[in-house]
Amino acid sequence: DAEITQSPRHKITETGRQVTLACHQTWNHNNMFWYRQDLGHGLRLIHYSYGVQDTNKGEVSDGYSVSRSNTEDLPLTLESAASSQTSVYFCASSRSQGGNEQYFGPGTRLTVT
Amino acid sequence: DAKTTQPTSMDCAEGRAANLPCNHSTISGNEYVYWYRQIHSQGPQYIIHGLKNNETNEMASLIITEDRKSSTLILPHATLRDTAVYYCIVRVAGSGNTPLVFGKGTRLSVIA
Repeated sequence: DAEITQSPRHKITETGRQVTLACHQTWNHNNMFWYRQDLGHGLRLIHYSYGVQDTNKGEVSDGYSVSRSNTEDLPLTLESAASSQTSVYFCASSRSQGGNEQYFGPGTRLTVT
Repeated sequence: DAKTTQPTSMDCAEGRAANLPCNHSTISGNEYVYWYRQIHSQGPQYIIHGLKNNETNEMASLIITEDRKSSTLILPHATLRDTAVYYCIVRVAGSGNTPLVFGKGTRLSVIA
């Protein structure tokens, strides 16, 4: 069955380190999204991509970057992790044409100490 | 996307219908009402969407008022596994390439 996966599921890192969170989908969806979820803020958009070599900034993109070298993957990189980036990160994907539903991954819980 | 207003929390007895309201008074003519839910520690899950007619699928029913300014998501026989945060989102249909804008949602607690 097609699916969307995230790895790692849990990560503890230190302030200042570079961290990359992986997102992989097997639906061949062109659209992929990264959200973060914090208590009191709900889900907020970090970055998104409409296809290979396309990336766009979302509401809370500072300190994060993404790259899209193939259809299946959209890794999220924290260039220099900060304690404010402690959060749960969700990746999602959707079809381009006529797509109504976004499919979400299981999430990655990141703690920056 | 139009702004939505939902109650912060609701309780429902197991086996009874759960009716979750959503106000979207500024909805545009080409915008649909979408519902997602998020069970604790999981990613959000699509439930249903509609424009103006009532919609039903295997998970839920969606009732949209004639003026389209409000809607109700109905879980006909709530179970403990339906305990989750439910998000009402208004957006243009078929806009799979548009990021979702999540509000705070309604925390539904199904009680045995």
